[in-house]
Order: sequence, then structure tokens, then C-alpha cells
Amino acid sequence: TQLLEQSPQFLSIQEGENLTVYCNSSSVFSSLQWYRQEPGEGPVLLVTVVTGGEVKKLKRLTFQFGDARKDSSLHITAAQPGDTGLYLCAGRYGQNFVFGPGTRLSVLP
Amino acid sequence: DTGVSQDPRHKITKRGQNVTFRCDPISEHNRLYWYRQTLGQGPEFLTYFQNEAQLEKSRLLSDRFSAERPKGSFSTLEIQRTEQGDSAMYLCASSPRTGGYEQYFGPGTRLTVT
Repeated sequence: TQLLEQSPQFLSIQEGENLTVYCNSSSVFSSLQWYRQEPGEGPVLLVTVVTGGEVKKLKRLTFQFGDARKDSSLHITAAQPGDTGLYLCAGRYGQNFVFGPGTRLSVLP
Repeated sequence: DTGVSQDPRHKITKRGQNVTFRCDPISEHNRLYWYRQTLGQGPEFLTYFQNEAQLEKSRLLSDRFSAERPKGSFSTLEIQRTEQGDSAMYLCASSPRTGGYEQYFGPGTRLTVT
């Protein structure tokens, strides 16, 4: 059974601070996706990482896929209140996905 | 807007009633997924279609749940004899036939069973 863990579960920071959230598994995934979800809405895809060791940047967000394709991290530089939300990672195995429980981020102005 | 749409957005039903939800994927996407999400958790996989074929169904899905995608376009998810434990957000996502299996989610249907 593929399982994904995310840490921390909750994170509250001040605007302008940097942060990193983590997604870990004992399973190897074909690829891994990060999503952001706001209350009452569906998740919105941020990035897909495929190759072990891959790093992708999306403005102030930096995503890294572990060398063994079992873990990933999301780093946000100079967080803004608009970054507030639930950050979910999802690992692909075959044609299906398993999601982590998410990190709930709150950025205070 | 040509994103994924779901109907209804909210549904309140009494225990024991049947409910049906609809999902309209992005038109050129051949893959369609149903997930269930409860408070404080990530989405939990329910079932997956490629075109009209249902290729995988979660072992967690009881016989009260059934999904169809008759013409490979929209999909329906039916829950029979609803229970209070079925209360959750039901999410639909579609994915294009090429690329990295990027999923595009609809806004979800929030089900409350009283």
C-alpha cells in the first residue's frame, strides 16, 4: 500500500518569512505532484516532478523530487498572505494517485 | 470557462436515500477520476475511467457506490442507501491522454447525510 506523509501538518508564519514543507513515503513513485487547495474548492495543480533529483521553480516556490523518487519538498520564499491554503502532494503509481494529508499553511499579514 | 464542472455543489440528504452526482470533465481529456475528501485529509481515490472503461475501483469502495461514464464524456457517481459516514466532499478530476497525468479538479460536491 502506497502511503504519503506530509509535515508539518500545520504551519503559521508571518508575511515575508521562508518555509519548507515535506512529503515522504517508503514507496517509489513514477512522478509526484503538488497541489494547493482553498476551502470549499478542488485542488489546483502547481507542479509535476518526474525525475529523481529534479528541481522546479514557480516564481517564489521551489519544488524538489528526492533522488530515490520517494520524497519531495516545497520551499516558499518570502511568503505572502495569498499563499495561504492546504498544500497537498500526490504520488503517481501506474495510472492512479495517492494523496498525502496535506500541510495547512497560514501566512499572516 | 472550460474547466471541470460538478453538479450539484452541495447536497443534503437523509440517511438511507440515494444520491447521484455528475462530473463534466475538460472536453479533450480521456481520463476521469473520482475522489472523496473528508475534513483534514487529502483526497482518497475512489475510481478511475479511461474513456468509457472503468479501469480501477478502490477496495475501500463499498457495493453501495457505483460510477459510470457511458459515452466517455461526463460521469456520474451514485451512492445508494446513504450513511452518515458518507458525508464528505466528492471530487472529480480529469487528465489529458498525453503528458504527465496532470489532474484538473472540479470544485467538488459536498454531501451531508443527516
